Amino acid sequence: GQQLNQSPQSMFIQEGEDVSMNCTSSSIFNTWLWYKQDPGEGPVLLIALYKAGELTSNGRLTAQFGITRKDSFLNISASIPSDVGIYFCAGQRPGANSKLTFGKGITLSVRP
Amino acid sequence: DAGITQSPRYKITETGRQVTLMCHQTWSHSYMFWYRQDLGHGLRLIYYSAAADITDKGEVPDGYVVSRSKTENFPLTLESATRSQTSVYFCASTGQVWGTDTQYFGPGTRLTVL
Repeated sequence: GQQLNQSPQSMFIQEGEDVSMNCTSSSIFNTWLWYKQDPGEGPVLLIALYKAGELTSNGRLTAQFGITRKDSFLNISASIPSDVGIYFCAGQRPGANSKLTFGKGITLSVRP
Repeated sequence: DAGITQSPRYKITETGRQVTLMCHQTWSHSYMFWYRQDLGHGLRLIYYSAAADITDKGEVPDGYVVSRSKTENFPLTLESATRSQTSVYFCASTGQVWGTDTQYFGPGTRLTVL
């Protein structure tokens, strides 16, 4: 099945640093979602984007829906230890009947 | 509490046994989904349901059966468990946020098939 491209697989940053992640595809998406998964838990929705060019913030998190509709970006500012986890992007393609396509996720580690 | 719940949270079974994983949501969401999560593969869709009595296959449906007699419940059955079905299983449902669908996940069931 089609996957969204997220890389690298892992990222290591120092507490207080900003970090950016992107998610790309060769196909157009109508909706982009960013989830975070803590160990032993299900993915939790962080930000949802519904229009091309949209820029949305949720606290220290900012995400953008790419103009081409084929990519999205997530930025975390002033990272803290609890930002550790796996960050997934997900997109909904036109006519997908609520089904999502997921990236494989980026594991973020934050050094105190 | 409102939301989406899964049971059991952990399950160990043996090859060849039948296992049913339960999913319950209190939002009356129409769409429900079952995913499995494995290292290197991310989240893969097993089955989904658009409404009660309407189900459809996802990316990896082989070896699984679903039913949806009530809107709020979406059980997943492994008819004869195999070791390759050892995984973490997530249920999800889709609800509207500002008029657009957004998917919410349950806490997961960690299944081990010996």
